[in-house]
Amino acid sequence: GAVVSQHPSWVICKSGTSVKIECRSLDFQATTMFWYRQFPKQSLMLMATSNEGSKATYEQGVEKDKFLINHASLTLSTLTVTSAHPEDSSFYICSARDLGGILMNTEAFFGQGTRLTVV
Amino acid sequence: GEDVEQSLFLSVREGDSSVINCTYTDSSSTYLYWYKQEPGAGLQLLTYIFSNMDMKQDQRLTVLLNKKDKHLSLRIADTQTGDSAIYFCAEREKGNQGGKLIFGQGTELSVKP
Repeated sequence: GAVVSQHPSWVICKSGTSVKIECRSLDFQATTMFWYRQFPKQSLMLMATSNEGSKATYEQGVEKDKFLINHASLTLSTLTVTSAHPEDSSFYICSARDLGGILMNTEAFFGQGTRLTVV
Repeated sequence: GEDVEQSLFLSVREGDSSVINCTYTDSSSTYLYWYKQEPGAGLQLLTYIFSNMDMKQDQRLTVLLNKKDKHLSLRIADTQTGDSAIYFCAEREKGNQGGKLIFGQGTELSVKP
């Protein structure tokens, strides 16, 4: 199946610093990528939809200046957590939807997630 | 808004069948999905079903969809210890080029030897 690679798998940063997480689609082009946040033992909460070449669409309650999303190419989206604080510690997962080829409209594929710990 | 509900826990013995249930509210959903998440990992797509289908079988997995009752189930035959994980059902909102996914809260499946 399609592969989505997320990097890094885990990161520890100091409070007040910024952290960038990358999401890459390895064998397909993804015009749309999604960023989720997951708290322990809970479901995935959609943060934003990232569209190649245009501004991301943020869900209600998600601060766009805090969580910067850039989707500069058809295979890469980045999420930057700016001025991170301990309450930003969480598991962040991206997914990418293949709108072309045999996978068209069937699904979005997920990265392996990034565990962010802010100390 | 749309809502997806799942029971939180299920415990079965190795070799038994597991049935994980899910209800959803959006009758216009086009696709419904089952994902598996192992500890510390992302989500793995297990299977999906189009909303105009009643059943889909894929090896040990059987998905049943009752559209009238908005009820989706995942049956895992001959459950193994390696099937222990959290299982999420999700519906896809209708929308241009496919809407966003709405996830249930996940069912933690525990398989005892």
